[in-house]
Amino acid sequence: DARVTQTPRHKVTEMGQEVTMRCQPILGHNTVFWYRQTMMQGLELLAYFRNRAPLDDSGMPKDRFSAEMPDATLATLKIQPSEPRDSAVYFCASGLRRDRGLRYGVNEQFFGPGTRLTVL
Amino acid sequence: AQTVTQSQPEMSVQEAETVTLSCTYDTSESDYYLFWYKQPPSRQMILVIRQEAYKQQNATENRFSVNFQKAAKSFSLKISDSQLGDAAMYFCAYRRTIYGGSQGNLIFGKGTKLSVKP
Repeated sequence: DARVTQTPRHKVTEMGQEVTMRCQPILGHNTVFWYRQTMMQGLELLAYFRNRAPLDDSGMPKDRFSAEMPDATLATLKIQPSEPRDSAVYFCASGLRRDRGLRYGVNEQFFGPGTRLTVL
Repeated sequence: AQTVTQSQPEMSVQEAETVTLSCTYDTSESDYYLFWYKQPPSRQMILVIRQEAYKQQNATENRFSVNFQKAAKSFSLKISDSQLGDAAMYFCAYRRTIYGGSQGNLIFGKGTKLSVKP
């Protein structure tokens, strides 16, 4: 049963500390998304990758957030330094970009269980 | 920019009855996908149903069906024979169809919390 995995599931840290969240996409998927969920803003895209290359990270605060894909089986989202306003649930999702005639896109994204981050 | 609006923050339904969750969206695109995701207390995002805008026929998945009104930019979800396990947050989402481009992310509504009464 293929699924997206995320670690850790929960993280409590103090302001100023570095936080690293990891995601293992479904084997064979070529697109990885990072979303953040908060009560106020709902679900927002932070960044996404195709074939390990970053395509869009406009939703991510560049001064403290960074996202990478060291290899096809691992995506990381790092916050340094963390702030209380970063408290949220961070989801990773993966999908397969298909070509279908002239119509492109990832038709279905499979979500991981999320990392609940609390910054004190 | 595309936006997705869910005007019902909370809904309630009696077990075995039918409930409809509303979603409207704003886009200037003519080709796109619409989705409903379910998020139970476990926080796992689960795809419920998908609709391709170029298809006129409404999508159905067992007890779940949609009413897709393209001209009105409306995409409601109907849950028939509601079960206790249907209790969750439901998110409506939009995705562009890109012709060789790079974007593929989902744009979500704020969600509707569905309660199912026994």
